[in-house]
Amino acid sequence: KAGVTQTPRYLIKTRGQQVTLSCSPISGHRSVSWYQQTPGQGLQFLFEYFSETQRNKGNFPGRFSGRQFSNSRSEMNVSTLELGDSALYLCASSKTGVRSYEQYFGPGTRLTVT
Amino acid sequence: AQTVTQSQPEMSVQEAETVTLSCTYDTSENNYYLFWYKQPPSRQMILVIRQEAYKQQNATENRFSVNFQKAAKSFSLKISDSQLGDTAMYFCAFMKPLYQGAQKLVFGQGTRLTINP
Repeated sequence: KAGVTQTPRYLIKTRGQQVTLSCSPISGHRSVSWYQQTPGQGLQFLFEYFSETQRNKGNFPGRFSGRQFSNSRSEMNVSTLELGDSALYLCASSKTGVRSYEQYFGPGTRLTVT
Repeated sequence: AQTVTQSQPEMSVQEAETVTLSCTYDTSENNYYLFWYKQPPSRQMILVIRQEAYKQQNATENRFSVNFQKAAKSFSLKISDSQLGDTAMYFCAFMKPLYQGAQKLVFGQGTRLTINP
């Protein structure tokens, strides 16, 4: 079974631009969560989607948004990029039912804002 | 709010030795889940082991085992017969019970583990 995939793997953007990152969960997984990883703040929860609905959102400004499609694929968008948005963005998926609390991560998208 | 603390920023051991990584957490919940994730230089986060708080028995996965002390809110990871491939950043993580809604992992700051040949 294929793992979680994220595209693109690397991205360089300029301050003020916007960016969209994509995540395809493991087949059959319906929950997708997003995390931001930076050297200073560590790993922080952005948001989680289940069946196209956002169930929870972390403490991030409104410039960070996301959505989930009917096939469970998810995208996150960051508008008006700031230098501090440079980070590794990780997506994780989990199944329903037994051990649904286990999250499986993708390889991440490394975003650099210049 | 839940917090997770890993007090050892870095550790280094020789191959084949046993190493224990520490983790403490703070929560008022009675039921929850605890995890150890491994992040090697490739940056791919890999689930190493999980523990359900309602289970008294410590979880084990091959060379990896945990010491879960619920009253002390402690959750340490023991790696036996360490291998070069165990070199990675290790994160301890907490999750509230699923009936409370969304899945959200709260991570510690991580412990950088180096296995020396």
